Amino acid sequence: QVQLLESGGGVVQPGGSLRLSCAASGFTFSNYGMHWVRQAPGKGLEWVAIISSDGDDKYYSDSVKGRFTISRDDSKNTLFLQMNSLRAEDTAVYYCVKEETFQDYNFDYWGQGTLVTVSS
Amino acid sequence: EIVLTQSPATLSLSPGERATLSCRASQSVSSHLGWYQQKPGQAPRLLIYSASNRATGIPARFSGSGSGTDFTLTISSLEPEDFAVYYCLQRNYWLRTFGQGTKVEIK
Repeated sequence: QVQLLESGGGVVQPGGSLRLSCAASGFTFSNYGMHWVRQAPGKGLEWVAIISSDGDDKYYSDSVKGRFTISRDDSKNTLFLQMNSLRAEDTAVYYCVKEETFQDYNFDYWGQGTLVTVSS
Repeated sequence: EIVLTQSPATLSLSPGERATLSCRASQSVSSHLGWYQQKPGQAPRLLIYSASNRATGIPARFSGSGSGTDFTLTISSLEPEDFAVYYCLQRNYWLRTFGQGTKVEIK
């Protein structure tokens, strides 16, 4: 069965950096576009970034553009999110999400999330 | 950036009642709209894709309609497990945005 397991969350000071990882299993990772979605405590969902199945195309929300970088290592079935210049408003649970081609690229599998807290 | 506006923010209904949730886009998204359900402490679950297609395993009481800028999620008869927060999500080429959510609570 499909599993997405995030790691790398924690507490970081404003201006600091953090790298999130997502280990994927149960499907052919290299065939699918992957996303990061976040949710601030008690708030709604916010789409963060996408990387295409071949890794050539990457797009970001305006709120993280220039600070966050999405990448993938298909040899290790792993998705990454490098987060730099972190701000208090980046505090959230970060979900690793798989898109499904045959459901109009909607999100069919989600990880359990990893909490990132930006605080001094 | 395409903005999705969901209404109402909160819907207070009893089990067995019909729920009608709205999602309006700031510009046309054609039929590239999905609906998700999220319960406390859980990741969201895909309900509807392409505005009106039920995802795998989703009960028939959930239905979606609309195209362009106006979309509706209908739950024909609320079951106890349907009380949750619902989000719409649009796809515009590579980019995505979520609506702010509608909470369906027990009256």
